[in-house]
Amino acid sequence: GDSVTQMEGPVTLSEEAFLTINCTYTATGYPSLFWYVQYPGEGLQLLLKATKADDKGSNKGFEATYRKETTSFHLEKGSVQVSDSAVYFCALRNQGGKLIFGQGTELSVKP
Amino acid sequence: SQTIHQWPATLVQPVGSPLSLECTVEGTSNPNLYWYRQAAGRGLQLLFYSVGIGQISSEVPQNLSASRPQDRQFILSSKKLLLSDSGFYLCAWSVPGQGSANIQYFGAGTRLSVL
Repeated sequence: GDSVTQMEGPVTLSEEAFLTINCTYTATGYPSLFWYVQYPGEGLQLLLKATKADDKGSNKGFEATYRKETTSFHLEKGSVQVSDSAVYFCALRNQGGKLIFGQGTELSVKP
Repeated sequence: SQTIHQWPATLVQPVGSPLSLECTVEGTSNPNLYWYRQAAGRGLQLLFYSVGIGQISSEVPQNLSASRPQDRQFILSSKKLLLSDSGFYLCAWSVPGQGSANIQYFGAGTRLSVL
């Protein structure tokens, strides 16, 4: 079945460090890909999305590129801030319309 | 603009007690509605979704049920809670018929602790 695999956390970085959170997927056809962010004690917010191969989603300094050849959608940010501390979820929406999430990666940014 | 409300935000219930969590959406009509559970340290699991009043699809067998008595109201229930029902419950909505790019919008969640 369709699935999403994320790198395990927690990821701990110093402020202004470069961030990469790996995400790979398995799906038939051409799913849409998403990154959601969950700040402490809150629900999920959509961070960015990409709907077809080679699309780049971006928001708040975060970027992710839909790579069909490697079935990946890695999340990157050039310089993280303390306020970026949260849990990040990679997800795909398959042809059946179901949203399938990865297990989440906790990011902790220290000043 | 559209908003989604969940309540309560936090709930502590004894084993064997009933449960009712409510979710309402404002500013849209005939949304698709979803209930997810996030167990501690794990990802989100889709529990139920609904494409219309009275139409409920269950994704996993469990101790919970869902109902949609009104167009923008989605309720998650249990007659007798189990310890394993503890978790973070999230309601979400989406606009129907937008294909694979359809975005789901989440509520703030309810943290349920069953003791």
